[in-house]
Amino acid sequence: GESVGLHLPTLSVQEGDNSIINCAYSNSASDYFIWYKQESGKGPQFIIDIRSNMDKRQGQRVTVLLNKTVKHLSLQIAATQPGDSAVYFCAENLESNFGNEKLTFGTGTRLTIIP
Amino acid sequence: SQTIHQWPATLVQPVGSPLSLECTVEGTSNPNLYWYRQAAGRGLQLLFYSVGIGQISSEVPQNLSASRPQDRQFILSSKKLLLSDSGFYLCAWSKENTEAFFGQGTRLTVV
Repeated sequence: GESVGLHLPTLSVQEGDNSIINCAYSNSASDYFIWYKQESGKGPQFIIDIRSNMDKRQGQRVTVLLNKTVKHLSLQIAATQPGDSAVYFCAENLESNFGNEKLTFGTGTRLTIIP
Repeated sequence: SQTIHQWPATLVQPVGSPLSLECTVEGTSNPNLYWYRQAAGRGLQLLFYSVGIGQISSEVPQNLSASRPQDRQFILSSKKLLLSDSGFYLCAWSKENTEAFFGQGTRLTVV
């Protein structure tokens, strides 16, 4: 929507610290959410997903939290490393014109890890 | 395993020239296919979405069109490029209600 025209918010974190990236989604009926990582000049890569019947899901060094009451999603990265520097996008499945679902992205956050 | 191919990687085109970007998927059938555009330092804007051959939804008014001549082929086109069409174009595929997988993108510069 309109947010794709805005500059990305930025977050700087000291190497080794934990980072939290937040995302607000638009549709209370969305039932599937994904976090992607995009490095410069490359396509986004899947990090972790969560369905609406869960509040929390953990992966390797990453945790996604879902708060359906306030339509909020967060990605926590533990013990950040220089390779974590990238742009992070949340995505939700919204109903498409065909009646099934399409993937729609949030604004994104640029994470910079300071050595 | 499934793979997605997108080409070319970079493209410089004059204003008013036509455009054709191609995306193909291997290793799956009847995928959902997407075209996104990303301006420098910006988010991902969904341009087109397709659930099958001939079933394409245009998400925003623009100077571009999309076609799906085969199940696993998705083409982004323009008859006459504008300067504002410059950007990073990404193709992606997914199955119903699962994560999407992206190609490596095409950086288009209209001069």
